Amino acid sequence: GNSVTQMEGPVTLSEEAFLTINCTYTATGYPSLFWYVQYPGEGLQLLLKATKADDKGSNKGFEATYRKETTSFHLEKGSVQVSDSAVYFCALTPNTGNQFYFGTGTSLTVIP
Amino acid sequence: DTEVTQTPKHLVMGMTNKKSLKCEQHMGHRAMYWYKQKAKKPPELMFVYSYEKLSINESVPSRFSPECPNSSLLNLHLHALQPEDSALYLCASSQVLGNQPQHFGDGTRLSIL
Repeated sequence: GNSVTQMEGPVTLSEEAFLTINCTYTATGYPSLFWYVQYPGEGLQLLLKATKADDKGSNKGFEATYRKETTSFHLEKGSVQVSDSAVYFCALTPNTGNQFYFGTGTSLTVIP
Repeated sequence: DTEVTQTPKHLVMGMTNKKSLKCEQHMGHRAMYWYKQKAKKPPELMFVYSYEKLSINESVPSRFSPECPNSSLLNLHLHALQPEDSALYLCASSQVLGNQPQHFGDGTRLSIL
């Protein structure tokens, strides 16, 4: 089956700290992988994506690398800002499927 | 600014009311989705439309009735809802079904009295 396991939160960091949010997946075939961010009171925004092994998605200083050998897609940022405070969702869609599978979400709070 | 527009942003209704949620996108996407999201949880898929035809219904109660009048619009008709239906309802679209990124609206915050 298809599933996403995401690092439990909440995560609290000081501004300019390094961020890692772990995400591992189980999937049949070769899924596409995504990170979405949800700011308070808003919908989900696509943060970055990767469609094949060893692809690196990046956006707004965030990066994630599609690792097939470890079935992982960890989200990283070198220096977080207060404005990065949000909930982050890892997700996959199988290459033959029609459905998104979301992780449970990780709440990040960045304090000045 | 989101490219998927949902109205209204907030809705309060009684259990006997009938109301509709609306979703619109002008990106030329042919797949559209309804999700329900409870607080501190990931979105749960409700319905999927592909080329204006219902493709997936995730065993959603009949008090929720989706409609796709054309390729840009998606409605969710609500009737006789229960308090546990209070949630954020999100609409999303993608170019087609399959391994495509989905683009989400900001949602409708629904409260059932």
